[in-house]
Amino acid sequence: IAGITQAPTSQILAAGRRMTLRCTQDMRHNAMYWYRQDLGLGLRLIHYSNTAGTTGKGEVPDGYSVSRANTDDFPLTLASAVPSQTSVYFCASSEGLDTDTQYFGPGTRLTVL
Amino acid sequence: GQNIDQPTEMTATEGAIVQINCTYQTSGFNGLFWYQQHAGEAPTFLSYNVLDGLEEKGRFSSFLSRSKGYSYLLLKELQMKDSASYLCAVILGDYKLSFGAGTTVTVRA
Repeated sequence: IAGITQAPTSQILAAGRRMTLRCTQDMRHNAMYWYRQDLGLGLRLIHYSNTAGTTGKGEVPDGYSVSRANTDDFPLTLASAVPSQTSVYFCASSEGLDTDTQYFGPGTRLTVL
Repeated sequence: GQNIDQPTEMTATEGAIVQINCTYQTSGFNGLFWYQQHAGEAPTFLSYNVLDGLEEKGRFSSFLSRSKGYSYLLLKELQMKDSASYLCAVILGDYKLSFGAGTTVTVRA
């Protein structure tokens, strides 16, 4: 693989269920990010990680958690999904957490009913 | 919160020029990105400006004025494949990215 992959591509989920969105990059980038994209609101940062073993909160972290056990993987977990979490989720990575260009995965379309 | 404004939609004719403006009022500034996003796809990098002035890259150019909190993306010789959303994103003082809502450009034959 080359770049960033996300899984699943799309998912329909019942409210209250737990869900983990997967993200893997093979570029050995230090920094990784999770965004959600909603119509009219643009991309909003949920959580980020500037290196393996560390994570931080973005603009809209409530209801989401992340972990960064190694450089390549950055899963996003919804502990108990709610309908307002219906969105398109993008994972991204960059060499560093500064002015480096971010590269985006193909996205996961999540619908919570 | 951050304030990054860009027009919602623009329409232009194939072969024409379109200028997408972006104004920002943010907590700190460490540079500005433009990304292109085709419907149903991931955003892809177009340009990066950190100093005032014009950066030209083929048919696309990006301009920045830090004193005015203003940038524009110029698309020349429009092609049908340029129909997409164009996202303005500011690197904040803490080095996180803050995105505008995006401008959807429709190119007509």
